[in-house]
Amino acid sequence: TQLLEQSPQFLSIQEGENLTVYCNSSSVFSSLQWYRQEPGEGPVLLVTVVTGGEVKKLKRLTFQFGDARKDSSLHITAAQPGDTGLYLCAGEAGNTGKLIFGQGTTLQVKP
Amino acid sequence: NAGVTQTPKFRVLKTGQSMTLLCAQDMNHEYMYWYRQDPGMGLRLIHYSVGEGTTAKGEVPDGYNVSRLKKQNFLLGLESAAPSQTSVYFCASSYDSLYQPQHFGDGTRLSIL
Repeated sequence: TQLLEQSPQFLSIQEGENLTVYCNSSSVFSSLQWYRQEPGEGPVLLVTVVTGGEVKKLKRLTFQFGDARKDSSLHITAAQPGDTGLYLCAGEAGNTGKLIFGQGTTLQVKP
Repeated sequence: NAGVTQTPKFRVLKTGQSMTLLCAQDMNHEYMYWYRQDPGMGLRLIHYSVGEGTTAKGEVPDGYNVSRLKKQNFLLGLESAAPSQTSVYFCASSYDSLYQPQHFGDGTRLSIL
């Protein structure tokens, strides 16, 4: 069974601080996706990484896919209250389109 | 453009009752999925479909059935609801399989008493 472990599960920081969320597995994934979910809504895709070692930037968010395609990280620079939400990583199992989700990281950014 | 629409948004059932959750997408996507989301467990795949007339089991299929009679609709049924099925249910769709983003509805919050 493929599993994705996210850490930390909860994070409460002050506006302006930096943070990193980790997503780890013992399995290889063909791609890794990161989603953000706000209360009462469905997850919304932030980024997809497909190549080992790949780094993608989305404004203040930096996503990295591990060289062995077993892990990924999300780094937020100078966090803002608008970044508050649940962050989910999801690995694609083979080419089936099925996603395995991590447990999620709840981020609270205080003004 | 509505994207993925789920109905109802909220529902309370008694143990043993049955119901159907409806999911409709207007993006002409081939793939559709049903997930449940429980605290601390992320999203878990219940059933999915790779095209009209097809369905397949996901990670937690027991107690649920699905149908995909039309490409745009994916129905999730609970034949005899149990308290363990209290959860938030999300439907998603994607254009294809590999590397494709999944587009999610806003969820159905279901409570089984």
